[in-house]
Amino acid sequence: QKEVEQNSGPLSVPEGAIASLNCTYSDRGSQSFFWYRQYSGKSPELIMFIYSNGDKEDGRFTAQLNKASQYVSLLIRDSQPSDSATYLCAVNRGTALIFGKGTTLSVSS
Amino acid sequence: EPEVTQTPSHQVTQMGQEVILRCVPISNHLYFYWYRQILGQKVEFLVSFYNNEISEKSEIFDDQFSVERPDGSNFTLKIRSTKLEDSAMYFCASSDPGGGRMGYEQYFGPGTRLTVT
Repeated sequence: QKEVEQNSGPLSVPEGAIASLNCTYSDRGSQSFFWYRQYSGKSPELIMFIYSNGDKEDGRFTAQLNKASQYVSLLIRDSQPSDSATYLCAVNRGTALIFGKGTTLSVSS
Repeated sequence: EPEVTQTPSHQVTQMGQEVILRCVPISNHLYFYWYRQILGQKVEFLVSFYNNEISEKSEIFDDQFSVERPDGSNFTLKIRSTKLEDSAMYFCASSDPGGGRMGYEQYFGPGTRLTVT
């Protein structure tokens, strides 16, 4: 079983819509969960982190964590064309971050 | 806003040569990391470094690789006897274990693209 799994996409949404990105992980000992945004040819940019079950909101972004289901999600409200990128889910394993392959989001204007 | 910086942005080397990739972490951060991303693949952990020693390393980080903090600002990754399959983007990251936590929020530099010919 892969450690961190994401649908590769592409996920296509119209401008102004809500984009929903999902991630599952296998290590029940993981305590920290992250969403990074990566534009093509660029480095991962941290956009959200969550440590406790429930929701965490930051501007247009909401991260949701369900440790019992080993599931993390990212909602992007009022999606903009500039949100078009690959979104990487990452989970800690000790000090290391274990990344999923990423979901490509395309927001059309 | 403080940033992680990396040099060079692109390094081309011949198979069998040694390369050193350089990073300047964010100044008040205490944990440093190297990751790599082969083109079209996921980001992979190589090593974490704290208090002048390796904290953890992955199975990728074998004897071919080494890390060093040669002074108060730089953090380097040395790859000896490079192979074609070492061609990848190498990212440095750093984190700040404030508040007693492990400081898992890692901030990445822009990367060094290593091409081995």
